[in-house]
Amino acid sequence: DQQVKQNSPSLSVQEGRISILNCDYTNSMFDYFLWYKKYPAEGPTFLISISSIKDKNEDGRFTVFLNKSAKHLSLHIVPSQPGDSAVYFCAASAFGNQFYFGTGTSLTVIP
Amino acid sequence: DAGVIQSPRHEVTEMGQEVTLRCKPISGHDYLFWYRQTMMRGLELLIYFNNNVPIDDSGMPEDRFSAKMPNASFSTLKIQPSEPRDSAVYFCASSFRNTGELFFGEGSRLTVL
Repeated sequence: DQQVKQNSPSLSVQEGRISILNCDYTNSMFDYFLWYKKYPAEGPTFLISISSIKDKNEDGRFTVFLNKSAKHLSLHIVPSQPGDSAVYFCAASAFGNQFYFGTGTSLTVIP
Repeated sequence: DAGVIQSPRHEVTEMGQEVTLRCKPISGHDYLFWYRQTMMRGLELLIYFNNNVPIDDSGMPEDRFSAKMPNASFSTLKIQPSEPRDSAVYFCASSFRNTGELFFGEGSRLTVL
């Protein structure tokens, strides 16, 4: 009973193109969402977040979109770079309580 | 500044043995989290502390798992007795005010034979 789901375990994208990573959630009480990036043999690092009062948040090449009615968020990376190759986790919380993570999507950016 | 420090990085043990994983959070952080990463479930929250007090341990899988935080700079996660299905990477993370911006350690990879 995963409350946060990342249905694509892997994604391959050509360098310079857009990478779109998707995440779905089931708990309508979630009000804060985050994306984390993880390289092999390292811990996840925070990438970008969005509050439920917004539908978009942008930080450089990274943009997160939130569709509350669909309980869906996505991370767009434009343009994709080889250094973006990593596992990306989305996470969600309700009222500042514990954060629920998805299973991750492994992104490979092909030079 | 030092990040979250976990030890050991790798642990190989036999079924039935006791395993202790250690974590030193970032100084000044008031929240500490223990996560377990598996392929099937991703990052699962096991337990978290606020100001050294356990807040939610509902993610601890069984009584074989226990966690302590005797002071603001140290926490342990203990598995006794360990079983092969406990094999996973265990992460410790800390944050200030539970903003969601967790700072993770490099993880402890546990293999139980």
